Amino acid sequence: SQQGEEDPQALSIQEGENATMNCSYKTSINNLQWYRQNSGRGLVHLILIRSNEREKHSGRLRVTLDTSKKSSSLLITASRAADTASYFCAPVITQGGSEKLVFGKGTKLTVNP
Amino acid sequence: GAGVSQTPSNKVTEKGKYVELRCDPISGHTALYWYRQSLGQGPEFLIYFQGTGAADDSGLPNDRFFAVRPEGSVSTLKIQRTERGDSAVYLCASSLGFPGETQYFGPGTRLLVL
Repeated sequence: SQQGEEDPQALSIQEGENATMNCSYKTSINNLQWYRQNSGRGLVHLILIRSNEREKHSGRLRVTLDTSKKSSSLLITASRAADTASYFCAPVITQGGSEKLVFGKGTKLTVNP
Repeated sequence: GAGVSQTPSNKVTEKGKYVELRCDPISGHTALYWYRQSLGQGPEFLIYFQGTGAADDSGLPNDRFFAVRPEGSVSTLKIQRTERGDSAVYLCASSLGFPGETQYFGPGTRLLVL
């Protein structure tokens, strides 16, 4: 079953605006990762935040994690048309003695020039 | 260095046929994963190899699906008696050690079963 649930499902903004995507999950996690996917093909890793971290930055990306609320958010600042893609959160859970990433359906972000 | 590669990029087959999808991971990565992604959905875990052995195959939907990694590098996902519902993008990923680490994805194989 899918663990990460992204919200909103789709987001359309103008270039230069900030984009915020949220993720909720159901069980305890080891860490949580965010990925980006262009045109339904390979995913690109954006950022990993560990369960004992609350916030992490990477360039124009800012990720927060609230384990008490079982939620995470991805903020992209000063968005560009090239940021148009689908974004997935992937909580890392331990299931059956093995860690695995469990992806949600993603948020489809459109940045209009 | 080279990323994860997958062949073929696209595969069209007829219902009932057998298909093999290949994944070439990043050199030195001991962990390899297969995922399946249907339209509008996120990737769904199928199987995870640590070296040559399948450490977790709990995501394989049924016994028509099988994967091997005989030398701990290249992996092949095999689907027997394909069904139209098997149509999806099959993604492969690799990581240095364990699933909780950053996974590096290939471009995927788009499988269409007619």
